[in-house]
Amino acid sequence: RKEVEQDPGPFNVPEGATVAFNCTYSNSASQSFFWYRQDCRKEPKLLMSVYSSGNEDGRFTAQLNRASQYISLLIRDSKLSDSATYLCVVNGGNAGNMLTFGGGTRLMVKP
Amino acid sequence: DGGITQSPKYLFRKEGQNVTLSCEQNLNHDAMYWYRQDPGQGLRLIYYSQIVNDFQKGDIAEGYSVSREKKESFPLTVTSAQKNPTAFYLCASSMYRGGGEQYFGPGTRLTVT
Repeated sequence: RKEVEQDPGPFNVPEGATVAFNCTYSNSASQSFFWYRQDCRKEPKLLMSVYSSGNEDGRFTAQLNRASQYISLLIRDSKLSDSATYLCVVNGGNAGNMLTFGGGTRLMVKP
Repeated sequence: DGGITQSPKYLFRKEGQNVTLSCEQNLNHDAMYWYRQDPGQGLRLIYYSQIVNDFQKGDIAEGYSVSREKKESFPLTVTSAQKNPTAFYLCASSMYRGGGEQYFGPGTRLTVT
């Protein structure tokens, strides 16, 4: 089983739609959780950290479910500019406390 | 401007040659990391350094070497022993040693023929 699993997609949605991605992680000792965005042939950029209580940043909402070991990202009112790959990232809970990156979920927002 | 710089953006080399990728940060971050990304794949950790003059192997260190002589700099050498060196190489840094969010440089796309 992969440490961090994501549905690779692509998710094809129309502008204005609401879309949700889920991510599961295997290490129950993980402490930190993040969503990154990666545009084609560019570096990943931090989108938001994920807190136990859930958090919102504009159109983006992140949720953490520790019991089921999954993280979600909800995007409301999708824009064309939201088209990208979204990476789920988890602190490994291992020696060195390294981050482990999921393979990413590709989102394509169509006009 | 604060940030992480990587150079060059594109690099072409012949098989059998060693090549060094540059990574510099002026964020005063303690920790630095090197990742490799292959098409359609996730990021895989090559090496990381949490303090000057110390570094640790990641998941795929074979065929690579690093140094951390200065806090700001963490160069990666891709040696001829790396069997499939063609990839997108990303350098990152984080304020604290492990666990916290990482910030990435723009990457170097290496092609070896």
